[in-house]
Amino acid sequence: KAGVTQTPRYLIKTRGQQVTLSCSPISGHRSVSWYQQTPGQGLQFLFEYFSETQRNKGNFPGRFSGRQFSNSRSEMNVSTLELGDSALYLCASRGELGPQHFGDGTRLSIL
Amino acid sequence: AQSVTQLGSHVSVSEGALVLLRCNYSSSVPPYLFWYVQYPNQGLQLLLKYTSAATLVKGINGFEAEFKKSETSFHLTKPSAHMSDAAEYFCAVSGNFGNEKLTFGTGTRLTIIP
Repeated sequence: KAGVTQTPRYLIKTRGQQVTLSCSPISGHRSVSWYQQTPGQGLQFLFEYFSETQRNKGNFPGRFSGRQFSNSRSEMNVSTLELGDSALYLCASRGELGPQHFGDGTRLSIL
Repeated sequence: AQSVTQLGSHVSVSEGALVLLRCNYSSSVPPYLFWYVQYPNQGLQLLLKYTSAATLVKGINGFEAEFKKSETSFHLTKPSAHMSDAAEYFCAVSGNFGNEKLTFGTGTRLTIIP
């Protein structure tokens, strides 16, 4: 069974731009969560989507948004990028009552 | 609200020695507890999970963890360290039924001394 796939793996943007990250979950998984990992703040929860609906949300500004499609694939969008948005963004998918399985992440660098 | 505390941001052990990584949790509901490992330039890989069944949980790569409610602990152990165990380890907690977000500890970087 294929794992969680995140694209792209690396991304370089400049301040003020916007970016879209993609996540394809494990087949059959309907829950997709996003996390931000930085050296200073560690791993922080962004949001979770289940059956195309946002089910849970972390404490991030409105510049961070997401969506989920009918095939459970998810995208995360960050608008008006700031230097502090440089991070590894991890996506995780989960089956019914199962643990979360993570992708290898997208490393976003803001110049 | 839930939280986890990982004692020791860096742990070094000799190859073949016991690995002990400490995790204490705080939860207002019966917790689900997890250990994940992260290798350089990779995502998180699930090592093991506690979901209120057996208190001693066996995971992959020879790791195990014991849930101790009285001590609010979920320490990770491995009897004999291998060079390939060098990585960063994260303890995480979620609420009932595993439906809620994962709250992670700050991580412990494990170094294996040859």
